[in-house]
Amino acid sequence: NAGVMQNPRHLVRRRGQEARLRCSPMKGHSHVYWYRQLPEEGLKFMVYLQKENIIDESGMPKERFSAEFPKEGPSILRIQQVVRGDSAAYFCASSPGGYQNTEAFFGQGTRLTVV
Amino acid sequence: DAKTTQPNSMESNEEEPVHLPCNHSTISGTDYIHWYRQLPSQGPEYVIHGLTSNVNNRMASLAIAEDRKSSTLILHRATLRDAAVYYCILRDPLNYGGSQGNLIFGKGTKLSVKP
Repeated sequence: NAGVMQNPRHLVRRRGQEARLRCSPMKGHSHVYWYRQLPEEGLKFMVYLQKENIIDESGMPKERFSAEFPKEGPSILRIQQVVRGDSAAYFCASSPGGYQNTEAFFGQGTRLTVV
Repeated sequence: DAKTTQPNSMESNEEEPVHLPCNHSTISGTDYIHWYRQLPSQGPEYVIHGLTSNVNNRMASLAIAEDRKSSTLILHRATLRDAAVYYCILRDPLNYGGSQGNLIFGKGTKLSVKP
Protein backbone atom coordinates (compact mmCIF):
# COMPACT_ATOMS: atom_id res chain seq x y z
CA ASN A 1 0.00 0.00 0.00
CA ALA A 2 1.76 3.10 -1.23
CA GLY A 3 1.88 6.05 1.11
CA VAL A 4 0.73 9.58 0.45
CA MET A 5 2.39 10.75 -2.73
CA GLN A 6 3.17 14.37 -3.35
CA ASN A 7 4.62 15.79 -6.51
CA PRO A 8 6.69 17.45 -7.47
CA ARG A 9 9.09 17.15 -4.54
CA HIS A 10 10.75 20.41 -5.50
CA LEU A 11 9.23 23.23 -7.50
CA VAL A 12 10.84 26.48 -8.58
CA ARG A 13 8.67 29.30 -9.86
CA ARG A 14 9.32 32.88 -10.83
CA ARG A 15 7.31 35.62 -9.17
CA GLY A 16 3.93 35.95 -10.84
CA GLN A 17 3.76 32.36 -12.12
CA GLU A 18 1.34 29.71 -10.96
CA ALA A 19 2.27 26.74 -8.77
CA ARG A 20 0.25 23.51 -8.78
CA LEU A 21 0.98 20.99 -6.07
CA ARG A 22 -0.47 17.49 -6.26
CA CYS A 23 -1.33 15.05 -3.53
CA SER A 24 -2.46 11.48 -4.06
CA PRO A 25 -3.87 10.13 -0.80
CA MET A 26 -3.41 6.60 0.39
CA LYS A 27 -5.73 4.09 -1.22
CA GLY A 28 -9.14 4.17 0.40
CA HIS A 29 -8.61 7.53 2.09
CA SER A 30 -11.24 10.17 1.47
CA HIS A 31 -9.93 12.96 3.73
CA VAL A 32 -7.08 15.24 2.67
CA TYR A 33 -5.37 18.01 4.62
CA TRP A 34 -2.87 20.60 3.39
CA TYR A 35 -0.27 22.28 5.61
CA ARG A 36 2.41 24.89 4.99
CA GLN A 37 5.71 25.05 6.81
CA LEU A 38 7.93 28.10 6.53
CA PRO A 39 11.66 27.63 7.22
CA GLU A 40 12.36 27.04 10.92
CA GLU A 41 8.65 27.25 11.78
CA GLY A 42 5.89 24.81 12.65
CA LEU A 43 3.20 23.41 10.40
CA LYS A 44 0.27 25.69 9.70
CA PHE A 45 -3.06 24.18 8.71
CA MET A 46 -4.41 25.44 5.41
CA VAL A 47 -7.38 23.40 4.25
CA TYR A 48 -9.26 20.17 4.92
CA LEU A 49 -11.11 18.46 2.08
CA GLN A 50 -13.20 15.40 1.48
CA LYS A 51 -14.02 14.15 -1.99
CA GLU A 52 -15.53 17.08 -3.91
CA ASN A 53 -16.06 19.10 -0.72
CA ILE A 54 -14.08 21.69 1.21
CA ILE A 55 -14.72 21.04 4.90
CA ASP A 56 -12.51 23.71 6.46
CA GLU A 57 -10.51 26.35 4.62
CA SER A 58 -9.94 28.62 7.61
CA GLY A 59 -6.16 28.49 7.11
CA MET A 60 -6.15 29.42 3.45
CA PRO A 61 -5.06 32.92 2.46
CA LYS A 62 -8.04 34.78 1.03
CA GLU A 63 -6.44 35.47 -2.31
CA ARG A 64 -4.37 33.49 -4.82
CA PHE A 65 -4.73 30.13 -3.04
CA SER A 66 -7.26 27.45 -3.88
CA ALA A 67 -7.61 23.72 -3.30
CA GLU A 68 -9.70 20.93 -4.71
CA PHE A 69 -10.12 17.20 -4.24
CA PRO A 70 -12.11 15.89 -7.21
CA LYS A 71 -14.02 12.65 -7.35
CA GLU A 72 -11.25 11.17 -9.47
CA GLY A 73 -7.60 12.08 -9.31
CA PRO A 74 -5.32 13.78 -6.82
CA SER A 75 -5.96 16.75 -4.61
CA ILE A 76 -4.51 19.96 -6.03
CA LEU A 77 -3.26 23.01 -4.15
CA ARG A 78 -3.02 25.91 -6.56
CA ILE A 79 -1.16 29.14 -5.91
CA GLN A 80 -1.63 31.87 -8.46
CA GLN A 81 0.78 34.76 -9.02
CA VAL A 82 3.32 33.42 -6.55
CA VAL A 83 5.38 35.80 -4.42
CA ARG A 84 8.62 35.21 -2.54
CA GLY A 85 6.70 34.79 0.72
CA ASP A 86 5.03 31.68 -0.69
CA SER A 87 8.36 29.85 -0.55
CA ALA A 88 7.80 27.04 1.90
CA ALA A 89 7.33 23.31 2.27
CA TYR A 90 3.76 22.22 1.59
CA PHE A 91 2.65 18.96 3.17
CA CYS A 92 -0.41 16.91 2.41
CA ALA A 93 -1.93 14.32 4.72
CA SER A 94 -4.72 11.82 4.26
CA SER A 95 -6.86 9.70 6.52
CA PRO A 96 -9.68 7.24 6.01
CA GLY A 97 -13.28 8.27 6.47
CA GLY A 98 -15.04 7.73 9.75
CA TYR A 99 -13.81 8.74 13.17
CA GLN A 100 -12.80 5.29 14.34
CA ASN A 101 -9.50 5.69 12.49
CA THR A 102 -7.91 8.96 13.42
CA GLU A 103 -4.35 8.49 12.24
CA ALA A 104 -3.27 10.82 9.45
CA PHE A 105 -0.52 9.88 7.02
CA PHE A 106 1.70 12.61 5.63
CA GLY A 107 3.53 12.86 2.35
CA GLN A 108 7.14 13.94 1.97
CA GLY A 109 6.10 17.44 0.96
CA THR A 110 6.66 19.78 -1.94
CA ARG A 111 9.31 22.40 -1.44
CA LEU A 112 8.33 25.51 -3.33
CA THR A 113 10.95 28.13 -4.08
CA VAL A 114 9.90 31.42 -5.62
CA VAL A 115 12.70 33.33 -7.33
CA ASP B 1 -9.44 24.74 19.68
CA ALA B 2 -8.11 23.07 22.78
CA LYS B 3 -4.46 23.93 23.27
CA THR B 4 -1.40 21.97 24.36
CA THR B 5 1.79 23.14 26.06
CA GLN B 6 5.13 21.42 25.52
CA PRO B 7 8.73 22.31 26.40
CA ASN B 8 10.58 23.86 23.48
CA SER B 9 13.43 21.39 23.61
CA MET B 10 14.79 18.36 25.43
CA GLU B 11 18.00 16.39 25.35
CA SER B 12 18.52 12.72 25.83
CA ASN B 13 21.36 10.23 25.71
CA GLU B 14 21.26 7.35 23.29
CA GLU B 15 19.87 4.10 24.68
CA GLU B 16 18.16 5.89 27.58
CA PRO B 17 14.42 6.40 28.07
CA VAL B 18 12.88 9.73 27.18
CA HIS B 19 9.75 11.22 28.73
CA LEU B 20 8.18 14.01 26.69
CA PRO B 21 5.50 15.91 28.64
CA CYS B 22 2.40 17.66 27.35
CA ASN B 23 -0.11 19.77 29.25
CA HIS B 24 -3.67 20.08 27.99
CA SER B 25 -5.65 21.51 30.87
CA THR B 26 -8.61 22.56 28.68
CA ILE B 27 -9.11 19.13 27.13
CA SER B 28 -12.73 18.15 26.52
CA GLY B 29 -14.26 14.76 27.13
CA THR B 30 -14.22 13.80 23.44
CA ASP B 31 -10.68 14.98 22.60
CA TYR B 32 -8.18 12.30 21.67
CA ILE B 33 -4.50 12.94 22.48
CA HIS B 34 -2.29 12.43 19.44
CA TRP B 35 1.48 12.49 19.07
CA TYR B 36 3.28 13.05 15.81
CA ARG B 37 6.94 13.63 15.12
CA GLN B 38 8.80 15.30 12.30
CA LEU B 39 12.30 14.23 11.41
CA PRO B 40 14.51 16.78 9.64
CA SER B 41 13.39 17.43 6.05
CA GLN B 42 10.54 14.93 6.33
CA GLY B 43 6.79 15.04 6.65
CA PRO B 44 5.23 14.44 10.07
CA GLU B 45 4.84 10.86 11.16
CA TYR B 46 2.15 9.43 13.42
CA VAL B 47 3.49 8.07 16.70
CA ILE B 48 0.59 7.16 18.96
CA HIS B 49 -2.79 8.31 20.23
CA GLY B 50 -5.13 7.60 23.13
CA LEU B 51 -8.25 8.76 24.93
CA THR B 52 -8.14 7.71 28.58
CA SER B 53 -6.09 4.57 29.04
CA ASN B 54 -2.35 4.26 28.62
CA VAL B 55 -1.37 2.99 25.19
CA ASN B 56 1.61 1.06 23.87
CA ASN B 57 2.79 0.39 20.35
CA ARG B 58 6.04 -0.56 18.68
CA MET B 59 7.25 3.04 18.60
CA ALA B 60 6.35 4.39 22.02
CA SER B 61 4.07 4.43 25.04
CA LEU B 62 1.55 7.08 25.97
CA ALA B 63 0.80 7.69 29.63
CA ILE B 64 -2.35 9.74 30.25
CA ALA B 65 -3.04 11.37 33.60
CA GLU B 66 -6.20 10.30 35.39
CA ASP B 67 -7.75 13.77 34.98
CA ARG B 68 -6.54 13.85 31.33
CA LYS B 69 -5.04 17.30 31.80
CA SER B 70 -1.58 16.05 30.89
CA SER B 71 0.12 13.18 29.13
CA THR B 72 3.63 11.86 28.56
CA LEU B 73 5.11 10.26 25.50
CA ILE B 74 7.68 7.66 26.47
CA LEU B 75 10.42 6.46 24.16
CA HIS B 76 11.83 3.45 25.96
CA ARG B 77 15.31 3.54 24.41
CA ALA B 78 16.19 6.64 22.45
CA THR B 79 18.22 6.21 19.29
CA LEU B 80 19.85 8.82 17.10
CA ARG B 81 17.02 8.31 14.64
CA ASP B 82 14.54 9.53 17.25
CA ALA B 83 15.94 13.07 17.05
CA ALA B 84 12.94 15.05 15.81
CA VAL B 85 10.30 17.60 16.75
CA TYR B 86 7.52 15.90 18.70
CA TYR B 87 4.02 17.34 18.56
CA CYS B 88 1.25 16.71 21.06
CA ILE B 89 -2.15 17.42 19.47
CA LEU B 90 -5.73 17.24 20.67
CA ARG B 91 -8.19 16.02 18.10
CA ASP B 92 -11.93 15.88 18.41
CA PRO B 93 -13.31 13.28 16.01
CA LEU B 94 -16.82 14.56 16.56
CA ASN B 95 -16.17 17.86 14.83
CA TYR B 96 -17.60 18.59 11.45
CA GLY B 97 -20.78 16.61 11.80
CA GLY B 98 -19.14 13.29 12.51
CA SER B 99 -16.16 13.61 10.20
CA GLN B 100 -12.69 13.55 11.59
CA GLY B 101 -11.49 16.58 13.46
CA ASN B 102 -8.58 18.56 12.18
CA LEU B 103 -4.94 18.33 13.29
CA ILE B 104 -3.66 21.63 14.65
CA PHE B 105 0.10 21.62 15.25
CA GLY B 106 1.77 23.73 17.92
CA LYS B 107 5.49 24.36 18.22
CA GLY B 108 6.31 20.93 19.60
CA THR B 109 9.38 19.74 21.50
CA LYS B 110 12.66 19.44 19.67
CA LEU B 111 14.35 16.30 20.94
CA SER B 112 18.11 15.99 20.59
CA VAL B 113 19.75 12.62 21.17
CA LYS B 114 23.40 12.48 22.10
CA PRO B 115 25.52 9.44 21.28
